[in-house]
Amino acid sequence: DTGVSQNPRHKITKRGQNVTFRCDPISEHNRLYWYRQTLGQGPEFLTYFQNEAQLEKSRLLSDRFSAERPKGSFSTLEIQRTEQGDSAMYLCASSFLGREQYFGPGTRLTVT
Amino acid sequence: AQTVTQSQPEMSVQEAETVTLSCTYDTSESNYYLFWYKQPPSRQMILVIRQEAYKQQNATENRFSVNFQKAAKSFSLKISDSQLGDTAMYFCAFMKRSYSNDYKLSFGAGTTVTVRA
Repeated sequence: DTGVSQNPRHKITKRGQNVTFRCDPISEHNRLYWYRQTLGQGPEFLTYFQNEAQLEKSRLLSDRFSAERPKGSFSTLEIQRTEQGDSAMYLCASSFLGREQYFGPGTRLTVT
Repeated sequence: AQTVTQSQPEMSVQEAETVTLSCTYDTSESNYYLFWYKQPPSRQMILVIRQEAYKQQNATENRFSVNFQKAAKSFSLKISDSQLGDTAMYFCAFMKRSYSNDYKLSFGAGTTVTVRA
């Protein structure tokens, strides 16, 4: 069990560019969650998957955001036409059957 | 919607002393989980302790214990015998316990704990 991994760990992009992040959950976990955390704040829920099905999306997730989990294993989060307000830490977590969520190290996005 | 409030932005404690972090929450649910997570500087979030709302007994994990007051909607964390490695931001979090598809965590704003040598 290597834990939840996220790549890249840091991403600097220019406003208007598209970015994609990847999350690899703990192997036996069927649920995968994405959260966003801004400096000095607690994480805010964005979306979650059970296996390959996306079951809930926060209204924080604008049309520029899309998430996938095509085979029920890893997930990607894409942000199109990035804005400075998208700068944040994007956290991925996984769990088995709704029990404790285990977090990855996060991807820090900076939009210049 | 659930809201979680942590009213102490920062706490400082001497090594080996005890510190208590407060957390209150607002919900109309009767069945839920409460968690404390620890986020060390530049490191990932780690689960510290979990409490199930239907259990009256307060959860304990080594030097970490909680005081869960369901009627008051209060869930404080006590760190005993503080160690330098306890320096971190601590988040209180709420999750509904249900058979619907709502398993998201709602977090408080966090409390930064600094342990002084």
